Amino acid sequence: GAVVSQHPSWVICKSGTSVKIECRSLDFQATTMFWYRQFPKQSLMLMATSNEGSKATYEQGVEKDKFLINHASLTLSTLTVTSAHPEDSSFYICSARLAGDYNEQFFGPGTRLTVL
Amino acid sequence: GQNIDQPTEMTATEGAIVQINCTYQTSGFNGLFWYQQHAGEAPTFLSYNVLDGLEEKGRFSSFLSRSKGYSYLLLKELQMKDSASYLCAVLDSNYQLIWGAGTKLIIKP
Repeated sequence: GAVVSQHPSWVICKSGTSVKIECRSLDFQATTMFWYRQFPKQSLMLMATSNEGSKATYEQGVEKDKFLINHASLTLSTLTVTSAHPEDSSFYICSARLAGDYNEQFFGPGTRLTVL
Repeated sequence: GQNIDQPTEMTATEGAIVQINCTYQTSGFNGLFWYQQHAGEAPTFLSYNVLDGLEEKGRFSSFLSRSKGYSYLLLKELQMKDSASYLCAVLDSNYQLIWGAGTKLIIKP
């Protein structure tokens, strides 16, 4: 149980285009989902916390107009990287927390974004 | 500020035992997690400690001392597949995970 999927796994796009990444909790309801970014040889960096039905809370230094987050249902959150640039190339990972459980987060497999 | 410290890299021999330490200073404490992350993959859950003491789960054990702000992950009977990064993370008073930079574990035959 507690499986989280992400789509796509890999994406290569041209500079200036937008990319949407989906995060789904497959067998549970997730009131809260988290979006992380990880650069090579670095730890996870929390970008934003996404709560179903409300606006996402962004961490300091993360541009909310560039990284659009939508959490429209209890099983789906999307991250859209708008006008992507090469410096946005990174490994994006989502995680989901069970409704009513404030402890463990379940991670998706990650999305590798390369912006040319 | 909040801070999690763990060694950057460790090397061990197949079949041996290795201990990865983690010290933390956070605003509040609601538990400490250890995750394993292979290169290019997302982290996978290993353990969760919220009370002092040792939690054993097969070849892996995790220890916590809240008064010392200290935890360790103990890996026994090391296998080549254990080569990975091991991430220590603390759940703070806002139930937000604070991540360490990870310890890259290299296993040699």
